[in-house]
Amino acid sequence: GAGVSQSPRYKVAKRGQDVALRCDPISGHVSLFWYQQALGQGPEFLTYFQNEAQLDKSGLPSDRFFAERPEGSVSTLKIQRTQQEDSAVYLCASSKDSRVGGNQPQHFGDGTRLSIL
Amino acid sequence: RKEVEQDPGPFNVPEGATVAFNCTYSNSASQSFFWYRQDCRKEPKLLMSVYSSGNEDGRFTAQLNRASQYISLLIRDSKLSDSATYLCVVNPDNYGQNFVFGPGTRLSVLP
Repeated sequence: GAGVSQSPRYKVAKRGQDVALRCDPISGHVSLFWYQQALGQGPEFLTYFQNEAQLDKSGLPSDRFFAERPEGSVSTLKIQRTQQEDSAVYLCASSKDSRVGGNQPQHFGDGTRLSIL
Repeated sequence: RKEVEQDPGPFNVPEGATVAFNCTYSNSASQSFFWYRQDCRKEPKLLMSVYSSGNEDGRFTAQLNRASQYISLLIRDSKLSDSATYLCVVNPDNYGQNFVFGPGTRLSVLP
């Protein structure tokens, strides 16, 4: 498809389980971003990739959160030993190349709705 | 103080009304600005970029006041389909990284 694709759309896990969320960006987009959105709030930045390089992970809430993009295309966000406070919508976005500068908009996927029981 | 602040609303307006949303940001070095629209349980979608000179796209007008660190969005002749949450987005630098989102303003356009 032409847009950012995320899977699964919904994920329910028990507290303590590990989960993996996948993002397939728009073809040719160099920059990839992960955000976390709690109910009634705007998305909050987690991490950013330029091709396969993770250039900013300052938004990851703890060392249980890990993201990778090994071939500079598909990215996976992994959460280990999930906690109830991890319940949120996880959004992935991509843009053409954030290094170019100017107003580069980000295009978002549908998100993964994660519920930790 | 949060980096980006918006009136959460909700704004309930009749069809055809004109409605304005405000947004303030704290980082004076911020370089680029956007308005996104998010429907319930959907992803944010770009509505428009905000330029220093202001810009208009059909019924939507965006304004930027750098001195006051203030962004606005005006919707004229509102339609039922405009009902959504409007997110103000600020990019602290000019390189598309680390968008900072406001909490969003909910708009309900009523028949």
